[in-house]
Amino acid sequence: QVKLQESGPGLVKPSETLSLTCTVSGASISNHYWSWIRQSAGKGLEWIGRIDTNGDTNYNPSLKSRVSISADTSRNQFTLKIYSVTAADTAIYYCVKRTTLGPYNWFDSWGQGTLVTVSS
Amino acid sequence: DIVMTQSPDSLTVSLGERLTINCKSSESLLYRYNNKDYLAWYQQKPGQPPKLLIYWASTRETGVPDRFSGSGSGTDFTLTISSLQAEDVADYYCQQYLTAPPTFGQGTKVEIK
Repeated sequence: QVKLQESGPGLVKPSETLSLTCTVSGASISNHYWSWIRQSAGKGLEWIGRIDTNGDTNYNPSLKSRVSISADTSRNQFTLKIYSVTAADTAIYYCVKRTTLGPYNWFDSWGQGTLVTVSS
Repeated sequence: DIVMTQSPDSLTVSLGERLTINCKSSESLLYRYNNKDYLAWYQQKPGQPPKLLIYWASTRETGVPDRFSGSGSGTDFTLTISSLQAEDVADYYCQQYLTAPPTFGQGTKVEIK
């Protein structure tokens, strides 16, 4: 059974960088596609981006200029960075696994989520 | 981006009753080359992450009770719970995965009358 656990600061100041790590157990991150999804009262569920088995990334155009996703296979972790955050980035952030049934973007495993508040 | 619109935003139903949630996409989700609709449904209980219920518009994920069913094609889809149970109180979301970025509906809140 795959388990995902988000970790990182719960409070980030405006204009600073949000950084979250997802630790995966029960599966090798080298064998699957991983995404970050956030949920806010204002925008609902929003897909942020993904990293694939080759380390290639794909981002939501709405965030592309401010987002970076990377992986550390030695630790079986992947990381999200959002630069120059504003209050609009306040949300619950989930790390998720894409289905293994093919190249399709539905998500069959989710972390519990972590609330990040952007405030001074 | 493909816009997903759900209706209603909320509904209150008695235990044992049937309920339906609608999801409409701004573009067809039917991919002609495999004749599949690229639509998933999720359930989110309070304080929990979303849980996958259905993919390909009508295929139940392993372990999902058969009272949950999905139907529809093209731009119009439905999630049906045939007999509402207390544990089904949750928010429900549809999601398209035909084109990037994947996008979600705004959600439908289901409560017990």
